[in-house]
Amino acid sequence: NAGVMQNPRHLVRRRGQEARLRCSPMKGHSHVYWYRQLPEEGLKFMVYLQKENIIDESGMPKERFSAEFPKEGPSILRIQQVVRGDSAAYFCASSAGTTLWKAFFGQGTRLTVV
Amino acid sequence: GENVEQHPSTLSVQEGDSAVIKCTYSDSASNYFPWYKQELGKGPQLIIDIRSNVGEKKDQRIAVTLNKTAKHFSLHITETQPEDSAVYFCAASIIAGTASKLTFGTGTRLQVTL
Repeated sequence: NAGVMQNPRHLVRRRGQEARLRCSPMKGHSHVYWYRQLPEEGLKFMVYLQKENIIDESGMPKERFSAEFPKEGPSILRIQQVVRGDSAAYFCASSAGTTLWKAFFGQGTRLTVV
Repeated sequence: GENVEQHPSTLSVQEGDSAVIKCTYSDSASNYFPWYKQELGKGPQLIIDIRSNVGEKKDQRIAVTLNKTAKHFSLHITETQPEDSAVYFCAASIIAGTASKLTFGTGTRLQVTL
C-alpha cells in the first residue's frame, strides 16, 4: 500500500511564475490536507479538502493560492505569481473517512523561488 | 484558535538515556494529540497518538501522557538510540464532524549521542 505521494520533490520557480504541487493520497483515503513548513518552524495548516469540495481553507492566503481535489486525479496546490516568501516545504497529508483525525504525510515538495 | 507550545526546542541525550518532550495547548475542546517524527528531508511520520479519553498510551519505547486539566501532554522515549535522532512535533486537533486540522508545536530537535 503506497503512502502519500507528492511530486515534484523539489521545484524551482522564478518570481512571478506559477507553481503547481501535486498530491496523491493513500489508497482508500478521501481527505487531503495541505500544510506549509518554513525553515526551522513547525507545520502550518493551509487547506482541507475532500473529493470535489473544499472543507476548510482558513489557513490559505487570500490571494495567489488555490487548491483542488477533483473527482479523478491528484489534489493540486497552485501558487500563482510566486514571490520569495513562498519558498518553503509544502506537505500533503491524507486520512480515511472512518479515522479522519489520523493523518499520514507525504515527503513534501520543497519550493524555491529565485 | 488553538495554540500549541512545545519545549525544549533542542534536546541532547546520551544513548540509552530517556528523553521527554512537553507540549501545552490552549483550546480545551481539543481531544486528539498526535506526535510526529521528522527526519531530515522527509515528511512527518506519525509515531504515536492519544485521545482525550485516555491518560496514557505506550508503544514499546515510546509513551505519551495527557493531563486534560492542565492542558499539557508529553512524549517519553526510553532507552534512546541514535536512530531516534530527529525533529519531533506535537500537535492538537478537535475530532468533530469533518473538521480535523492539526495545530503543530514548533518542534524539538533530539540528538542522541553515543
